[in-house]
Amino acid sequence: AQKITQTQPGMFVQEKEAVTLDCTYDTSDPSYGLFWYKQPSSGEMIFLIYQGSYDQQNATEGRYSLNFQKARKSANLVISASQLGDSAMYFCAMTMEYGNKLVFGAGTILRVKS
Amino acid sequence: SAVISQKPSRDICQRGTSLTIQCQVDSQVTMMFWYRQQPGQSLTLIATANQGSEATYESGFVIDKFPISRPNLTFSTLTVSNMSPEDSSIYLCSVLWLLDTQYFGPGTRLTVL
Repeated sequence: AQKITQTQPGMFVQEKEAVTLDCTYDTSDPSYGLFWYKQPSSGEMIFLIYQGSYDQQNATEGRYSLNFQKARKSANLVISASQLGDSAMYFCAMTMEYGNKLVFGAGTILRVKS
Repeated sequence: SAVISQKPSRDICQRGTSLTIQCQVDSQVTMMFWYRQQPGQSLTLIATANQGSEATYESGFVIDKFPISRPNLTFSTLTVSNMSPEDSSIYLCSVLWLLDTQYFGPGTRLTVL
């Protein structure tokens, strides 16, 4: 069965600095997708970034990048130049490629300090 | 990306009653999903809403408690039946977009008294 592990319940980062949120996964399927979502206090789930298991390069979307290390089964999210608005819960998730079920990690609360 | 709306955005309900949550997408999509997020917890998939056929439920979720409709490729409803305080959660619908990404609606915050 697929499993996502986020070991950091909470993180603090100084405004304008970079922060890395950890995510490891476990699956026996050779084809899968990895996702990061942001959930502010409003409760909505905001899609940030996607990495396919066969993608050769790490995904990037603006200030977000995904550090994909397939052999270590890790998919860490790097946020550069943190902003106060980045304070939120962040979830790592995975699914099979072209599949349907999303499995989520427990989440990491990020607080950006001014 | 798809634009997804949900109604209601929040509700407070009495024990034993039922609530139907609507999910509307601005484009036709093949796959729609319903998730539950209990207070302080992560998201758990309830079921996949299949157009033209019965929903596919995950372990621990049953049709009698969470009936789902999917009348067309842009709309789905989730009903939370015979509610108890343990059903107090955020309920989110999502859609599979371009075969690889799921986008979520804004969620419905349900409180059961």
